[in-house]
Amino acid sequence: AQSVTQLGSHVSVSEGALVLLRCNYSSSVPPYLFWYVQYPNQGLQLLLKYTSAATLVKGINGFEAEFKKSETSFHLTKPSAHMSDAAEYFCAVSDGNSGNTPLVFGKGTRLSVIA
Amino acid sequence: NAGVTQTPKFQVLKTGQSMTLQCAQDMNHNSMYWYRQDPGMGLRLIYYSASEGTTDKGEVPNGYNVSRLNKREFSLRLESAAPSQTSVYFCASSDRVGQFFGPGTRLTVL
Repeated sequence: AQSVTQLGSHVSVSEGALVLLRCNYSSSVPPYLFWYVQYPNQGLQLLLKYTSAATLVKGINGFEAEFKKSETSFHLTKPSAHMSDAAEYFCAVSDGNSGNTPLVFGKGTRLSVIA
Repeated sequence: NAGVTQTPKFQVLKTGQSMTLQCAQDMNHNSMYWYRQDPGMGLRLIYYSASEGTTDKGEVPNGYNVSRLNKREFSLRLESAAPSQTSVYFCASSDRVGQFFGPGTRLTVL
């Protein structure tokens, strides 16, 4: 079965600094990988997804993620943090062979941005 | 286009009471899901429905039942609520792009 590990339950960065949120996955088949963002008291919003096309995936709000099969990683980055990026971020893997199947989520990383 | 809607937004129950959480989507998606979110646990799948008329158990189905009423609606029922079911419940639907989530229902069981 697929699983996801997010390193660091809380990450704090200064405004303008690089954001790096780590995600490692375990999957027996080529995975579909996702990053979601959750703002306080809201549902989850899709940031980006990997579906075996380009290994560098660009998403909304300036975020991107790189799929590295050799490291089983799918880390999320943003070159310059903004105050509005403060939220909880979830990495997820599709428990199947398409994006249209249940997701297995990591436990989440809360991002704080310091002025 | 409202996306995924959930009712109610908040609910407080006493142990042993029953209730149904409602979910509807207007994106013509075949697949729908129920997850629960607990602090430090991420989201865990309760039940899902790959198409109208089918449902399958997820990781944490005990204490819950579901009904896929039609293509649009997927409800989650707690027959006898327990304090361990205090959580935030999210409904989602999906297409090839990904899963789209509702705003959630915050449930407290006393």
